[in-house]
Amino acid sequence: DGGITQSPKYLFRKEGQNVTLSCEQNLNHDAMYWYRQDPGQGLRLIYYSQIVNDFQKGDIAEGYSVSREKKESFPLTVTSAQKNPTAFYLCASSPDNSPLHFGNGTRLTVT
Amino acid sequence: GQQVMQIPQYQHVQEGEDFTTYCNSSTTLSNIQWYKQRPGGHPVFLIQLVKSGEVKKQKRLTFQFGEAKKNSSLHITATQTTDVGTYFCARSTGTASKLTFGTGTRLQVTL
Repeated sequence: DGGITQSPKYLFRKEGQNVTLSCEQNLNHDAMYWYRQDPGQGLRLIYYSQIVNDFQKGDIAEGYSVSREKKESFPLTVTSAQKNPTAFYLCASSPDNSPLHFGNGTRLTVT
Repeated sequence: GQQVMQIPQYQHVQEGEDFTTYCNSSTTLSNIQWYKQRPGGHPVFLIQLVKSGEVKKQKRLTFQFGEAKKNSSLHITATQTTDVGTYFCARSTGTASKLTFGTGTRLQVTL
């Protein structure tokens, strides 16, 4: 089955540690996205990539980094510079100018 | 980025009652997308509206795009418990593939 896989589902880290969230898709989509969702709130765009080896900052990129070395993969690193990293992180992909397909998300807790 | 406001933030209805959520923008929208997120789940694409005054139906769901393309609505007729979740509208900003999500309306349906 084609889809987007995010792993792990739950992730726990100590404050001050960097952590990388995985996102893999086998839909052959060019564009990939990372969103953050806080309880009771909407989705805010962190980074997006429309093509391999290229990515752009979204609305809340500070404290995060990404890479897009392969079409299928768009990992997100939450750095120690991110002040409030605890959140639900959603990865999505889409063919160009089309609706988004989301992964199941990773719930990150930093203590 | 340009915010998209949704009202109400939360609505609790009895099964069988109707439900409507509204999405409002201060600027003209090129298109609007609607997503549904079940509790604990990820957003799932419902529909995209492109034309001024457009109305689309999916079974008990009716989607409307305003004549001025600055607002949109989602109406559910005779709600069921399976309709529970948060409904988001999303607009394209700048790059067509980059979406900005509304604040969402959480729907609770009880028997």
